[in-house]
Amino acid sequence: DIQMTQSPSSLSASVGDRVTITCRASQGIRNDLGWYQQKPGKAPKRLIYAASSLQSGVPSRFSGSGSGTEFTLTISSLQPEDFATYYCLQYNSYPRTFGQGTKLEIK
Amino acid sequence: QVQLQQWGAGLLKPSETLSLTCAVYGGSFSGYYWSWIRQPPGKGLEWIGEINPSGSTDYNTSLKSRVTISVDRSKNQFSLKLSSVIAADTAVYYCARGSGPAVWGQGTTVTVSS
Repeated sequence: DIQMTQSPSSLSASVGDRVTITCRASQGIRNDLGWYQQKPGKAPKRLIYAASSLQSGVPSRFSGSGSGTEFTLTISSLQPEDFATYYCLQYNSYPRTFGQGTKLEIK
Repeated sequence: QVQLQQWGAGLLKPSETLSLTCAVYGGSFSGYYWSWIRQPPGKGLEWIGEINPSGSTDYNTSLKSRVTISVDRSKNQFSLKLSSVIAADTAVYYCARGSGPAVWGQGTTVTVSS
């Protein structure tokens, strides 16, 4: 199974900050990676697919980059509604695997 | 726009079989992968398995012996069965469309308790 190592596991930041979350795959997955945002009690919401493609309707302050084994999600200027938990998901091979999540909290 | 509506029993006893169904509304059913994902209380997301357009399935390594995902194309529905449940199967279960899914069901809380 491909292991997805996500860091950090938690992050405190302020409105307006730029934040970066990283996922590292245990083997190459090309660009078969998505980023998800989840708020308490809600289903995850896809932000990014194919590592760097912005999901329709998602604000442009979200961006993704990377290929192979190293991937990043960047939020350019944090807004109050961005405080949530973020996950990466690889869909290059079976079984699909998620990162362990990053909880983004208000400083 | 496509919506997924899921349902199933929310309280099970150990050794029983979990059974959930997900109906697809407002979009095409054929040509898509259909997935199940779960989230234990206070923990992260865990991929359970998926079925592809030809009906082939793939499952989480740790659950493979107990999981079955199937489709009913006549009803635009797909289903999850997980046999011999234990307390560790307590989770919110989500159905979703695609391998890196953009469309998710609302989630169903399943509790396993004697």
